[in-house]
Amino acid sequence: DTAVSQTPKYLVTQMGNDKSIKCEQNLGHDTMYWYKQDSKKFLKIMFSYNNKELIINETVPNRFSPKSPDKAHLNLHINSLELGDSAVYFCASSQDLETGPLTNEKLFFGSGTQLSVL
Amino acid sequence: SQKIEQNSEALNIQEGKTATLTCNYTNYSPAYLQWYRQDPGRGPVFLLLIRENEKEKRKERLKVTFDTTLKQSLFHITASQPADSATYLCADSGGYQKVTFGIGTKLQVIP
Repeated sequence: DTAVSQTPKYLVTQMGNDKSIKCEQNLGHDTMYWYKQDSKKFLKIMFSYNNKELIINETVPNRFSPKSPDKAHLNLHINSLELGDSAVYFCASSQDLETGPLTNEKLFFGSGTQLSVL
Repeated sequence: SQKIEQNSEALNIQEGKTATLTCNYTNYSPAYLQWYRQDPGRGPVFLLLIRENEKEKRKERLKVTFDTTLKQSLFHITASQPADSATYLCADSGGYQKVTFGIGTKLQVIP
């Protein structure tokens, strides 16, 4: 069983379209994330959710809207896609520590969604 | 703001040698640093975590050190093998779920 699974693996679309990426984790973790890895391979956090509540929104355009129907799922919807959105998007999850719900370590990543906007 | 700096140039070493990768942080000392491995087309995989009050951590052929004076962590792979070839990412604790990653160092182990 894949711990963190995201679909689709590849997404090729035209500029201006709306698309979604889905993510599910079966680890029972409380926190889920979206990361973006650009062409220079720099991995940058976009959002984090803890028990369906948005915790981090890291200066991401509001064309990007995460949705967490339950703590095992975190989907990413992108409106009006632009060329600069082309990147690999990674979903991840982590377990809250005893020290508190907002401290965490050891992220588990999905295999990524390569988004190409033409 | 905190920056995690890694040498973005590839590191090539001969099989059997020890690979040493460097991670520097620029600002406050994080509660812990983490190291991940990323293979092409895959997500990062957690390897090791070292806390601020720990000098050294080991796991099989891997060793991580944490020097708060130098603001640096070193990641060592002893008896390196071609299968160790990958990109290695350093990340800080961030706090409040904001784990910040360095750009990663690509390691190539030559047979």
